Amino acid sequence: DAKTTQPPSMDCAEGRAANLPCNHSTISGNEYVYWYRQIHSQGPQYIIHGLKNNETNEMASLIITEDRKSSTLILPHATLRDTAVYYCIVRGSYIPTFGRGTSLIVHP
Amino acid sequence: DTGVSQDPRHKITKRGQNVTFRCDPISEHNRLYWYRQTLGQGPEFLTYFQNEAQLEKSRLLSDRFSAERPKGSFSTLEIQRTEQGDSAMYLCASRAGQGQETQYFGPGTRLLVL
Repeated sequence: DAKTTQPPSMDCAEGRAANLPCNHSTISGNEYVYWYRQIHSQGPQYIIHGLKNNETNEMASLIITEDRKSSTLILPHATLRDTAVYYCIVRGSYIPTFGRGTSLIVHP
Repeated sequence: DTGVSQDPRHKITKRGQNVTFRCDPISEHNRLYWYRQTLGQGPEFLTYFQNEAQLEKSRLLSDRFSAERPKGSFSTLEIQRTEQGDSAMYLCASRAGQGQETQYFGPGTRLLVL
């Protein structure tokens, strides 16, 4: 699986959009981009995934650049409950590899 | 609730003791994964089952660790002769078959070895 690079931490004001970047410059054509988040002391929670088109669901939007070398997870109206570690994973095999993720703190 | 469940949620043991954790995946999922997570790190892959077959084991899975999934449903992870370095969160995840790549994680079992 391709390696990903994420900033270690970010913060965001409650009610504002949180934009979490991920670089995956070595991604290959059949590898999907997955996002998970982990709230303190819980298991990771699936958020969204995509191949090359932008995706949106009830939790977030995923924007993938045209060259697929980077992506951005967007939480349109962040709440305090969105404070968590966010993991970007690129996977083509059946064993996903997690990095350290981005610790997002949403403040009042 | 029909998600992935794990038992126990917390375990404190003394060094040298054996411990066993259980994972019950989502019922129609035939793929099951075990991960270990230490403080400040992302989950690290340990082993993977497709039905009852253990198809992949990480080098992190020393010979003190053994995992089983005897009937292709629930799985157990046993650690023998525990060491303080085994203290971690042990996570289980499951997913459906081919073409369904999304993993669903359980709440984890937090192990503390004294």
